[in-house]
Amino acid sequence: GAGVSQSPRYKVAKRGQDVALRCDPISGHVSLFWYQQALGQGPEFLTYFQNEAQLDKSGLPSDRFFAERPEGSVSTLKIQRTQQEDSAVYLCASSLDRGGGEQYFGPGTRLTVT
Amino acid sequence: GENVEQHPSTLSVQEGDSAVIKCTYSDSASNYFPWYKQELGKRPQLIIDIRSNVGEKKDQRIAVTLNKTAKHFSLHITETQPEDSAVYFCAASIGGNNRLAFGKGNQVVVIP
Repeated sequence: GAGVSQSPRYKVAKRGQDVALRCDPISGHVSLFWYQQALGQGPEFLTYFQNEAQLDKSGLPSDRFFAERPEGSVSTLKIQRTQQEDSAVYLCASSLDRGGGEQYFGPGTRLTVT
Repeated sequence: GENVEQHPSTLSVQEGDSAVIKCTYSDSASNYFPWYKQELGKRPQLIIDIRSNVGEKKDQRIAVTLNKTAKHFSLHITETQPEDSAVYFCAASIGGNNRLAFGKGNQVVVIP
């Protein structure tokens, strides 16, 4: 079956622009996670959804970051007024269960803020 | 804290030899420990995982061991092949939602 997909794969934004990153999880997966991966580092947790409910957003670095999953499937991560330090790969992962199951990652969106 | 530490940062091995990567974690409530392989520009791929009620798990050339008392777990790759060259990340589950805290990664280079 289809894995986790993300779009766009690459995004270049000028500082101050807003961006929206999309994640299509594996069909039927209840849990959805967003991670940020800086160059040469491991993924860092941003936020977690269980169906449409955002249960944990403790990793979002500032109030410029906003995520939603309105119908419990596709999710969008929005970054307002992008800054250079936002440049990273944004990874989405989904998991079948409510918690504790295997997380399957998408290919990521590489965001470059100039 | 939620630190996950990985050692060494870079590991070079001759083809056919074994590679071992060690990780330590700090959250005693962690109960799920996956390992991911990430090739350059690609997504992290789950290669093996272990839960806290098990001490060791093996899948062909890959094995993982867990010592809950010492809070460390290790990845063992035997009979290494050039296609094993990649960055390997360990992770530990954190909190009731089981989000993952990742280590910084190990670059494994298999020399033909």
